[in-house]
Amino acid sequence: QQQVKQSPQSLIVQKGGIPIINCAYENTAFDYFPWYQQFPGKGPALLIAIRPDVSEKKEGRFTISFNKSAKQFSLHIMDSQPGDSATYFCAASEETSGSRLTFGEGTQLTVNP
Amino acid sequence: GAVVSQHPSWVICKSGTSVKIECRSLDFQATTMFWYRQFPKQSLMLMATSNEGSKATYEQGVEKDKFLINHASLTLSTLTVTSAHPEDSSFYICSARDTERNYGYTFGSGTRLTVV
Repeated sequence: QQQVKQSPQSLIVQKGGIPIINCAYENTAFDYFPWYQQFPGKGPALLIAIRPDVSEKKEGRFTISFNKSAKQFSLHIMDSQPGDSATYFCAASEETSGSRLTFGEGTQLTVNP
Repeated sequence: GAVVSQHPSWVICKSGTSVKIECRSLDFQATTMFWYRQFPKQSLMLMATSNEGSKATYEQGVEKDKFLINHASLTLSTLTVTSAHPEDSSFYICSARDTERNYGYTFGSGTRLTVV
């Protein structure tokens, strides 16, 4: 019930491509869905987050698509750049109750020049 | 946005010694902070939830006597790895949430612990 499943485990795209990372959850009480970017040796940094009242959110080149009925959400990176090469984690929480984040397994993204 | 400062960024210690890691919320008050452990190429594993003024809540399988957590103020939580052993070598990350400004969960920069 508390798990968040993330795929793919790794992803390689060419510069300018649009990598898509998918996550699925079971707990219908989750109401906050962030995506984090992590570079080696650094802590995760919040990229973008969505709440269940909207189906899509865009910030710069990053877009979250959210499907409440399917309990799935995904991250799209437009016009990907080599500097986007990092590990991406999706997460979910019951924000209103102040609960902790449940993380996906992570996706290692490589953007080739 | 909210800023969480974590120190040290890396530490090497000898087996049997103790190491303290600090996590500070710089521009907000955090009644709750979270401590994670991360192994190479793996996800973050929650170790414990640190509550200001009360005992931490540890996840199943995490030794509370080995990983001492103190949350003495609204801006500081510390994790002490006691009697460290090489298997405790890992990347430790703290997190806090600015509930007042609704900035979500912010993470520190992490601490690389190496026990030799």
